[in-house]
Amino acid sequence: AQKITQTQPGMFVQEKEAVTLDCTYDTSDQSYGLFWYKQPSSGEMIFLIYQGSYDEQNATEGRYSLNFQKARKSANLVISASQLGDSAMYFCAMRNGSARQLTFGSGTQLTVLP
Amino acid sequence: NAGVTQTPKFQVLKTGQSMTLQCAQDMNHNSMYWYRQDPGMGLRLIYYSASEGTTDKGEVPNGYNVSRLNKREFSLRLESAAPSQTSVYFCASSDGPPSGANVLTFGAGSRLTVL
Repeated sequence: AQKITQTQPGMFVQEKEAVTLDCTYDTSDQSYGLFWYKQPSSGEMIFLIYQGSYDEQNATEGRYSLNFQKARKSANLVISASQLGDSAMYFCAMRNGSARQLTFGSGTQLTVLP
Repeated sequence: NAGVTQTPKFQVLKTGQSMTLQCAQDMNHNSMYWYRQDPGMGLRLIYYSASEGTTDKGEVPNGYNVSRLNKREFSLRLESAAPSQTSVYFCASSDGPPSGANVLTFGAGSRLTVL
């Protein structure tokens, strides 16, 4: 079984500051992948970043980076230099090894303040 | 540059009515999925299709049927809608099989209300 936990229902950050969105996961598999998606108020789901369990380096994509701590089973999303357009719901998701299903957390609503 | 297109975007049904949500992708992806999103629960997989001609149940398949009409199209049918099926439905597709690092591309969602 795989489980994703996002403990922050809502977060606020000042424009241009960095923010960390927490994600912890539970799996007994050694091989798995972690994903972050963004859902703006318009409703679509936008892929942000991926981290494989065997990747030695933390994933980065522009202003997004993933703080992967395997021993703690955490995969936190770090957004640097927040922008007003970053205001959205953010979902962490995981897929075990050969599992077909991508399991999502409950999400964190991020609000960027001007 | 359409990606994944879902129709309709909004629908209101009465309990017991039936309807079909349509999904089409123009990226030549092999795998397609239907998810539902409920407040505070993230997205949950209803059904998926790893390739044309195959479909498999996800986490919450009860009350739904699907058809992979061809490589492009994957429809979701509610035969007898119930208020518990009030939700936002997302169709998604991925290039490779539903495993590993394959990234899902999502449609814009369909908001369904069952009275």
